[in-house]
Amino acid sequence: GAVVSQHPSWVICKSGTSVKIECRSLDFQATTMFWYRQFPKQSLMLMATSNEGSKATYEQGVEKDKFLINHASLTLSTLTVTSAHPEDSSFYICSADTSGRYEQYFGPGTRLTVT
Amino acid sequence: AQKITQTQPGMFVQEKEAVTLDCTYDTSDQSYGLFWYKQPSSGEMIFLIYQGSYDEQNATEGRYSLNFQKARKSANLVISASQLGDSAMYFCAMGSTSGTYKYIFGTGTRLKVLA
Repeated sequence: GAVVSQHPSWVICKSGTSVKIECRSLDFQATTMFWYRQFPKQSLMLMATSNEGSKATYEQGVEKDKFLINHASLTLSTLTVTSAHPEDSSFYICSADTSGRYEQYFGPGTRLTVT
Repeated sequence: AQKITQTQPGMFVQEKEAVTLDCTYDTSDQSYGLFWYKQPSSGEMIFLIYQGSYDEQNATEGRYSLNFQKARKSANLVISASQLGDSAMYFCAMGSTSGTYKYIFGTGTRLKVLA
């Protein structure tokens, strides 16, 4: 149980275009979903926290107009990287938690490369 | 402010031996959780073990145990009987157990198990 999927697993896009990444909890309803960014050989950095039907809460220094988060349902959250630039190239990971459990369940990640 | 420190960037262990990965933390919260995750080269974050701040007994999950010393603010992960498949990056994380449960992560320890 507690499986989280992400789609796509990797994507290459041209500078200036937008990319949407989906995060789904497959067998449970997520109370909260989280989006992280991880640079090579570095730790995970929390970008934002989202709850279904509410606006996402962004961490300090994360541009909310650039990284649009939509939490449409209890099982789906999307991250859209708008007007992507090469410096946005990174590994993006989502996670979800569920009522009664403290641990977060992570998706497999999406590797974004902007050319 | 909350902080997680992992002082071992890399560790080696012989197959079948035990290894301890260090984690210290700092928080002013009274109620919090400590987590360990494994990240193999595929990138997926795999939940290993959880310790609540009010738990009196050290958490154990199979070959994983958490050596929790609250007064010293340490939450070291012990892996017994290491296997080649244990080679991965290991992250310690802390989250509040009230509110949004968002995590902060340590910088990670890369473990290499030697045959």
